[in-house]
Amino acid sequence: EAQVTQNPRYLITVTGKKLTVTCSQNMNHEYMSWYRQDPGLGLRQIYYSMNVEVTDKGDVPEGYKVSRKEKRNFPLILESPSPNQTSLYFCASSQATGGGGGANVLTFGAGSRLTVL
Amino acid sequence: QQPVQSPQAVILREGEDAVINCSSSKALYSVHWYRQKHGEAPVFLMILLKGGEQKGHEKISASFNEKKQQSSLYLTASQLSYSGTYFCGTEDDQAGTALIFGKGTTLSVSS
Repeated sequence: EAQVTQNPRYLITVTGKKLTVTCSQNMNHEYMSWYRQDPGLGLRQIYYSMNVEVTDKGDVPEGYKVSRKEKRNFPLILESPSPNQTSLYFCASSQATGGGGGANVLTFGAGSRLTVL
Repeated sequence: QQPVQSPQAVILREGEDAVINCSSSKALYSVHWYRQKHGEAPVFLMILLKGGEQKGHEKISASFNEKKQQSSLYLTASQLSYSGTYFCGTEDDQAGTALIFGKGTTLSVSS
């Protein structure tokens, strides 16, 4: 089944304790992206990647890191989490982006709800 | 820059129609529409491309005015299953840019 898998789905942690949210897709998609969703603010992009070893900042990258060493994986790293990073996080992927017609339709993971105390 | 959606919320009875609008300050290559039900991930509904190509979803249609950088989503004869939050996502008129989402419009359909 074609899907985007995120782990963990739920996490409660404390300020300053490094954590990684993993994201993996099995569709051989080039494009992957991380969003955070907060009430009233919609889906805001954190980082995205056009392909392996190519990453770019989105609208809210502060406090986050990403890497894209393999095509299928795009982990989100919070080096020193703070309470303002409490949010619902979504990973998404698409075949391509830009000029691809339907190829850039996003498939989302189920989401990871993170609470930082 | 984040596209602007209106209205923020819509309350309908089954069978009624609704229109959700999305506007951008930038020239657009495409507009996407997604629906998110409570506690779930957003799901693709439709994409509209510059030049008029359109892909659709049954009983839900959309328009894209390239000159005005606006798109509208039309939900006709709404059903209870239409309830959720609708997001438009816009892609700038350049190859290789990211998809930016609006803040969403919450649609509630009751019987």
